Amino acid sequence: AQSVTQPDIHITVSEGASLELRCNYSYGATPYLFWYVQSPGQGLQLLLKYFSGDTLVQGIKGFEAEFKRSQSSFNLRKPSVHWSDAAEYFCAVLPNTGKLIFGQGTTLQVKP
Amino acid sequence: NAGVTQTPKFQVLKTGQSMTLQCAQDMNHEYMSWYRQDPGMGLRLIHYSVGAGITDQGEVPNGYNVSRSTTEDFPLRLLSAAPSQTSVYFCASSYSDRPAERIFGSGTRLTVV
Repeated sequence: AQSVTQPDIHITVSEGASLELRCNYSYGATPYLFWYVQSPGQGLQLLLKYFSGDTLVQGIKGFEAEFKRSQSSFNLRKPSVHWSDAAEYFCAVLPNTGKLIFGQGTTLQVKP
Repeated sequence: NAGVTQTPKFQVLKTGQSMTLQCAQDMNHEYMSWYRQDPGMGLRLIHYSVGAGITDQGEVPNGYNVSRSTTEDFPLRLLSAAPSQTSVYFCASSYSDRPAERIFGSGTRLTVV
């Protein structure tokens, strides 16, 4: 069965430090991959997506993610974190069933 | 403003009561879906629709009904609320069920006592 794993439930980084959020998926074919961000009390906003082509994708708010087929991973990165990045982040995979599957989420806390 | 609108934003129900969560989109999207969000479990698909008159079950459909009489609206019905249905519910839409961004509403926080 398809699944998405975000190994880190909670991450704390200092403002200005770099960030990497991990995402691993289980799916037989090349998946369509997404990262969403959810600020407290808000809905989900798309940060970036991978459908095909260049495996390094750029998103909004200075985020990027790299698709690594050999590792079944789609990790999210940002070179310098801002206090406003504190939120919950969700990785998701879209298999050919058309049913979007989410990971458990990673809560990011940013220290001043 | 184009987007997905969910009402109400907050609701408290007593066990056994029924209610309908409303979802409307004005982007002419064919695909609409309902998710529930619970701590530590991410978002789980309840029901979805690939067009007017067509609905299907997701991962956690029990206790919920849906219908899709128009392209714009996709209401979620709880027939007899249970405390296990306490959750945050999100509606999402996209132009297709295939590779396409899902646009999410702002959510409905439901508490069943």
